[in-house]
Amino acid sequence: KQEVTQIPAALSVPEGENLVLNCSFTDSAIYNLQWFRQDPGKGLTSLLLIQSSQREQTSGRLNASLDKSSGRSTLYIAASQPGDSATYLCAVYSGAGSYQLTFGKGTKLSVIP
Amino acid sequence: ETGVTQSPTHLIKTRGQQVTLRCSSQSGHNTVSWYQQALGQGPQFIFQYYREEENGRGNFPPRFSGLQFPNYSSELNVNALELDDSALYLCASSLAGAGEQYFGPGTRLTVT
Repeated sequence: KQEVTQIPAALSVPEGENLVLNCSFTDSAIYNLQWFRQDPGKGLTSLLLIQSSQREQTSGRLNASLDKSSGRSTLYIAASQPGDSATYLCAVYSGAGSYQLTFGKGTKLSVIP
Repeated sequence: ETGVTQSPTHLIKTRGQQVTLRCSSQSGHNTVSWYQQALGQGPQFIFQYYREEENGRGNFPPRFSGLQFPNYSSELNVNALELDDSALYLCASSLAGAGEQYFGPGTRLTVT
């Protein structure tokens, strides 16, 4: 059974700081990995999708890496801003044929002005 | 291009009642997945529908059931509601084989 763990559970940083969020998964037989952002009480906003054959993806100030063999992914946020405050969720695609997502519990990020 | 929509936004039900949640998939998508997100937790996979057939199911009891219609919209039905069913229910649509899922805004269900 696939399990996804995110560390830390919560993080508070001053504005402008660079930061790294960590995600690990137990079964390396994944198709893709995706990072999401979730604001309180809202749905999920996709940030980055890394296909299993890729090592990293970049979008603006965000960079995500994937190491399937070690079962790890990191999300790097450069020059953090108060608007980045949200919960960040990591999810892996697995499951024969159904491409179901298994999520971690998320990292709650607070960026202090 | 229309994104994934869900209705209603919020609803309150009493324990033992039944509820139906609805989802309209993104244009061109033929697969719908449903997730339950309890407070402070990550979303949990309930089931997936592809071409009107269930195509994968998570660890949820049979009182959670679904439908997918020819236009690829979907319903999630929950019978005999329990207090622990209180959660945000998320719908995601995708193209079978491509994988990437696009999420709707969710329905917040409160069971009292």
